[in-house]
Amino acid sequence: SAVISQKPSRDICQRGTSLTIQCQVDSQVTMMFWYRQQPGQSLTLIATANQGSEATYESGFVIDKFPISRPNLTFSTLTVSNMSPEDSSIYLCSVEGNSNTGELFFGEGSRLTVL
Amino acid sequence: QQQVKQSPQSLIVQKGGISIINCAYENTAFDYFPWYQQFPGKGPALLIAIRPDVSEKKEGRFTISFNKSAKQFSLHIMDSQPGDSATYFCAASKAFQKLVFGTGTRLLVSP
Repeated sequence: SAVISQKPSRDICQRGTSLTIQCQVDSQVTMMFWYRQQPGQSLTLIATANQGSEATYESGFVIDKFPISRPNLTFSTLTVSNMSPEDSSIYLCSVEGNSNTGELFFGEGSRLTVL
Repeated sequence: QQQVKQSPQSLIVQKGGISIINCAYENTAFDYFPWYQQFPGKGPALLIAIRPDVSEKKEGRFTISFNKSAKQFSLHIMDSQPGDSATYFCAASKAFQKLVFGTGTRLLVSP
């Protein structure tokens, strides 16, 4: 298993500002994933972050809006840039468990409200 | 092609009853079908998963039924308890890559 800590757990932000979410894992992992969970909706993969390389973004998500850092094997950050009310969501960090099972472990999420 | 459709959106079951949540997929390349359970304020956690080589998998009170020809799978919670009240997500992927999640079912088990 993996224990994932996210900061902040929640925040209220003003339109046009940016916020960086931190994700710390208690073990070294190759890939880290960032998901968005909009109210009453599914979990949508934003990007996959590998240490030492550029993050890979899913369709509909761009680096300018969601820059990601992955400085080492236990840490990653997601920045939500130039926020609008539509960015109000829960942002979840996730890592793979045993690669033979496909299990994902999630942090508790960062709930952002943009006014 | 990449969607996983989940129903119902919400479900109320009496304690001791059976909760049933259904999912359908289109991509026949999917070969891994997990269910995740999410409590308020927490991240989702894997509950149970199935591969398409079997039609059913049971773990305690939780059972996945899988119908490959219909491209459907469902979660059955037997003897539902108030502690089972949570949001449940089905998901699917090919070779453990890029899980596609359903829209979630909010389950409430009344005492």
